[in-house]
Amino acid sequence: AQSVSQHNHHVILSEAASLELGCNYSYGGTVNLFWYVQYPGQHLQLLLKYFSGDPLVKGIKGFEAEFIKSKFSFNLRKPSVQWSDTAEYFCAVNARYSSASKIIFGSGTRLSIRP
Amino acid sequence: EAGVAQSPRYKIIEKRQSVAFWCNPISGHATLYWYQQILGQGPKLLIQFQNNGVVDDSQLPKDRFSAERLKGVDSTLKIQPAKLEDSAVYLCASSDTSDEQFFGPGTRLTVL
Repeated sequence: AQSVSQHNHHVILSEAASLELGCNYSYGGTVNLFWYVQYPGQHLQLLLKYFSGDPLVKGIKGFEAEFIKSKFSFNLRKPSVQWSDTAEYFCAVNARYSSASKIIFGSGTRLSIRP
Repeated sequence: EAGVAQSPRYKIIEKRQSVAFWCNPISGHATLYWYQQILGQGPKLLIQFQNNGVVDDSQLPKDRFSAERLKGVDSTLKIQPAKLEDSAVYLCASSDTSDEQFFGPGTRLTVL
């Protein structure tokens, strides 16, 4: 069965530190990849997405992610975090089959930024 | 544009009672999703509609959960009877043809 793994459950950083959140999935076919963010008290919103083309995608608020097909990974990065990045981050994979698709979310990574 | 609307925002019931949630997707979005998010976990897809047809309900506990999307717009998700382990946030999302999902605020269900 397809799965999505987010290895870091809780990450604590100081402001201006660099961030990398891991995401690995298990599915050998075509995938669409997403990172969603949930700020405290708000609903899930899209941070960035990869469908095809350049494997390095840029999203909102200075976030980027790199799709490495050989490693089944789609890690999220930001060179310098801010206190306002405190949130929960979810990786999601849409596994595409011949006649349908199936979307699976990871368990999430809680990011806490110390001011 | 208006976002995905859900109601109620909070619901507290006792086990074995029934409950229903309502979702109004973004206008024009053909695909509608219901997710269950248990505390500390990621959203789990319960059911996906394309217009008023079911695309995927493989993870919907059909002995107690049901969902419908009459006329391909609004949708309701019902639990009957509820169990303690149904306590979770129920999220509705919608998308057009792009696969990007727009989420509603969710309904937080507590089963006592």
